[in-house]
This record gives sequence, C-alpha cells and structure tokens, in this order.
Amino acid sequence: DIQMTQSPSSLSASIGDRVTITCRASQSISRSLNWYQHKPGKAPKLLIYGASSLQSGVPSRFSGSGSGTDFTLTINSLQPEDFATYYCQQSYTTPYMYNFGQGTKLEIK
Amino acid sequence: QVQLQESGPGLVKPSETLSLTCAVSGYSITSGYYWGWIRQPPGKGLEWIGNIYQSGSANYNPSLKSRVALSVDTSKNQFSLKLKSVTAADTAVYYCARRYYDSTLDTFDIWGQGTMVTVSS
Repeated sequence: DIQMTQSPSSLSASIGDRVTITCRASQSISRSLNWYQHKPGKAPKLLIYGASSLQSGVPSRFSGSGSGTDFTLTINSLQPEDFATYYCQQSYTTPYMYNFGQGTKLEIK
Repeated sequence: QVQLQESGPGLVKPSETLSLTCAVSGYSITSGYYWGWIRQPPGKGLEWIGNIYQSGSANYNPSLKSRVALSVDTSKNQFSLKLKSVTAADTAVYYCARRYYDSTLDTFDIWGQGTMVTVSS
C-alpha cells in the first residue's frame, strides 16, 4: 500500500500570502498525483490532476509540481475562499487502490 | 451539469448493514466511467471504498473488500453501496464520486456533498 504524507497538517496564512503544501509518497508514483480542496459541508473539489495540470475552472493562482515521490501544491495570493482543507491523492495503483493524504487545513491568520 | 447526491439512513446499528445510494443527474451512467465511494471518519482523512462500472464490474479497497458490495441501477441512473457487519469504526461521512480517467489522468472529478452515517445502538 502506498502511503501519502502531507505536511504541514495545518497552517495559518493571511490574505495575499503564498503558501505551499507538500505531499510525499512512500514509493515513486511518477506524476499520478491529484489535489483536492474540501470545505466543510461541501463536495470536495478537484484542483490539480497529473501533478501539475489545472482542472478546468480552477483559478490560476493554484499550481502543482513534482514527480516521483515529492509533490507540492502552491497557492499564490491567497483569497478568502481558499481557506479549506487540501488533500493529495495517488492514482498510480489505479484501479486497484487509491490513497489520500491525511489533509492540510489552511486557516486564516 | 453533472451532480451526485447521496441518500440513506443516518444511523445504523452495530453488526447491521449500511446501505447508501448515489443518484446521478446531468449524465447517464451508461455513457461510461466508473463511479466510486469514499468516506471520511470524524477527524480523519479520506479513505477510498471502491469503484463500479455500468456493467457491474467493481474494484474494492482490500481492507474493506470482505464487507463491501457495490451495485448499479442503470434504469434509475444511480449506484449503491452496502457495507455489512458495521462497527463504530465505520462511522463517517460517505461521499460518492465519478472516477474520470483517460490515458493521461485518473481522478475523482465530481463528488456529492456527502452523507453522515453514525454506527450506534
């Protein structure tokens, strides 16, 4: 089973800040990495697929990078609507298993 | 606009079977793709449960495989989850989602809002 580890577990930031969230896989997953945004009571939202491709409709302040075992999600110029929990998810072992990171909660400072 | 909506009992007794349904609107299940279930226990991360195709072909999380069954009802454009012999550890928000995939990507691109299921006597 591939373990996905996100860091930090939580972080506080201000409007306009740039933040970076890291996701590490326990083994190489090439670029089979997706990022989701989740707000309480809402459906999770796909942000990034294939490590760096922006899902249609997602603002360009979101970007993803990485390959192999180390990945990052960067949000430039934080907006009020960006405060949420972010999850990474590997799709390398599709269709037999999908693993999510434990989540990173982004809070307003 | 594709939308998914989960429904089912919010309270299930220990040892009984949890049953949920996901109604799909704006897209026909018979048009393709797999349809999945993911859950989130309180205070914990997301856990994939399984995916099912319109034909009924399914893949399950190995840790849950012995207790899970997914099914599809194409006439109602919905798919369902059954989890038997539940315990308090199965208490979670349950989400249904569409698995969108092609040669270059594999994602859960559309999700329902989730439904909370509590296992308690």
